[in-house]
Amino acid sequence: KAGVTQTPRYLIKTRGQQVTLSCSPISGHRSVSWYQQTPGQGLQFLFEYFSETQRNKGNFPGRFSGRQFSNSRSEMNVSTLELGDSALYLCASSLGDTTGGETQYFGPGTRLLVL
Amino acid sequence: AQTVTQSQPEMSVQEAETVTLSCTYDTSESDYYLFWYKQPPSRQMILVIRQEAYKQQNATENRFSVNFQKAAKSFSLKISDSQLGDAAMYFCAILQGGSEKLVFGKGTKLTVNP
Repeated sequence: KAGVTQTPRYLIKTRGQQVTLSCSPISGHRSVSWYQQTPGQGLQFLFEYFSETQRNKGNFPGRFSGRQFSNSRSEMNVSTLELGDSALYLCASSLGDTTGGETQYFGPGTRLLVL
Repeated sequence: AQTVTQSQPEMSVQEAETVTLSCTYDTSESDYYLFWYKQPPSRQMILVIRQEAYKQQNATENRFSVNFQKAAKSFSLKISDSQLGDAAMYFCAILQGGSEKLVFGKGTKLTVNP
């Protein structure tokens, strides 16, 4: 079974621009979660989507948004980029069973550099 | 709110030796799950081991095992017969039941010396 895939793997943007990252989950997984990893803040939860609905949200400004499609693929968008948005963005998928506790499997990440 | 603390920023071990990575956590929930993930230089986050809080038996996966002390809120990872490929950042994480939000510790960088 193919793992979680993320595109693109690397991105360079300038301040003020916007960016869209894509994540394709493991086949059969319906939940997709996004995390931001920086040297200073570590790994932080952005949001989680299940059946095209945002089910959980972390403490990030509204510039960070996402969506999920009917095939469970998810996109994350960051508008009006700031230097501090430079990070590794990780996507993870799980079955999404409503009882929770499902193991999340991670993609290789998208490294975003904002200049 | 849940928190995870990894008190060892860096650890080193000789190849074929055993090393233990520490993790403590705090949660007010009774339904939760604990994980260790490994992140090698490639940055791919790889699941090492998982423990359900309601299970008293410590989880094991080949050379990897945990010491889960629920009352002390401690969840350490033991790596036996360390291999060069074990060199990576190791993250401890907690997941509340009914949630998909993983809360991670700051990580421990493990070096394996030949």
